[in-house]
Amino acid sequence: DQQVKQNSPSLSVQEGRISILNCDYTNSMFDYFLWYKKYPAEGPTFLISISSIKDKNEDGRFTVFLNKSAKHLSLHIVPSQPGDSAVYFCAATSNTGKLIFGQGTTLQVKP
Amino acid sequence: GAVVSQHPSWVICKSGTSVKIECRSLDFQATTMFWYRQFPKQSLMLMATSNEGSKATYEQGVEKDKFLINHASLTLSTLTVTSAHPEDSSFYICSARQELGTEAFFGQGTRLTVV
Repeated sequence: DQQVKQNSPSLSVQEGRISILNCDYTNSMFDYFLWYKKYPAEGPTFLISISSIKDKNEDGRFTVFLNKSAKHLSLHIVPSQPGDSAVYFCAATSNTGKLIFGQGTTLQVKP
Repeated sequence: GAVVSQHPSWVICKSGTSVKIECRSLDFQATTMFWYRQFPKQSLMLMATSNEGSKATYEQGVEKDKFLINHASLTLSTLTVTSAHPEDSSFYICSARQELGTEAFFGQGTRLTVV
């Protein structure tokens, strides 16, 4: 049972354009959502998070949007840079503290 | 962000031997540490949750006798893969969280290859 889903395994965008990564979840108990960036053979690094009481959180070039009614969140990167090329994981957690990850989306930003 | 150090970053061992992986929070006290496993091109799968001073809670399908987790202090947790087999070859990642409601920080990961 995949509680957190990233249905797009890969995404390719041109440098300077917007990258939009999507994530859906099924568990209504999730109340905190996070995005991580991961390079091959390295641990994930935290990017940005959002609490379920908000619908938007912005940090520099990264913005996360949350639509609770649709159980959907998205990560916007603008402008995209070649250094953003990596695998992006969304994760969700509830009061148990366990992080449940999506399958990841590989982003490629072309110069 | 906070620093979590995982050691070793890669290890090759013979089938039947045991391997210990360490996870340390360097600049904060981690009340909870998590261990994940990642197969190639797949998501990170939570294996177990450990709270300092208590027994780890394992996820369904994870053999507790095979994957021994010790969280003896607020800055150190260890995962020991006992009697390793080639199917245990994987990328193991730990994460540490200071308290509930804060983000978890991840170690660099350990690539285990069992030959």
